[in-house]
Amino acid sequence: AQKITQTQPGMFVQEKEAVTLDCTYDTSDPSYGLFWYKQPSSGEMIFLIYQGSYDQQNATEGRYSLNFQKARKSANLVISASQLGDSAMYFCAMREGAGEGSARQLTFGSGTQLTVLP
Amino acid sequence: DSGVTQTPKHLITATGQRVTLRCSPRSGDLSVYWYQQSLDQGLQFLIQYYNGEERAKGNILERFSAQQFPDLHSELNLSSLELGDSALYFCASSGRGTSPSGANVLTFGAGSRLTVL
Repeated sequence: AQKITQTQPGMFVQEKEAVTLDCTYDTSDPSYGLFWYKQPSSGEMIFLIYQGSYDQQNATEGRYSLNFQKARKSANLVISASQLGDSAMYFCAMREGAGEGSARQLTFGSGTQLTVLP
Repeated sequence: DSGVTQTPKHLITATGQRVTLRCSPRSGDLSVYWYQQSLDQGLQFLIQYYNGEERAKGNILERFSAQQFPDLHSELNLSSLELGDSALYFCASSGRGTSPSGANVLTFGAGSRLTVL
């Protein structure tokens, strides 16, 4: 089974509007972390936001917020007041486990291509 | 600039050849990860090193190998190259407390784009 699922290959949003990018995950580990990265057309991977499985509140970083619904195993990214520069590929990723002995690599979803329209 | 340096940025080579990709992690980061991004496979984890030792292995082919040196830079060696190895290869590094939340965030380099003809 896919560990990270992003069901929206492409999304369009009008400038200044909010947009939600979906992400569901699958793990049996009670300790995990969820990440969102942005990849503009230039290719670099830019970290946006992080949510830990034990975090009580949804994470926020400026215009980015994470709608974390643990029971539904979803971690949707919300971008408020979209800007033209937000046009990029967005990846959801998960790290399972915690502590020194656990693997630290991230498993990525297939990504959502967001296009912001003027 | 993320602080993770990858060279070369672009590389064009022929099938059957061997190439080496180099990565210098962010100052203070002990872990280095290698990822392959291709159109059909997405972002695939290849291998992780921590302070010179292999920590985790993903979908890395036997034709590929990597190592992390005492100065913590890492090299990914790709041999007997095939057309399907054409991809963007990312190196990422991580350390403790790299975000306000304390998450062990992976910081990515700009990538090395490999084209096999």
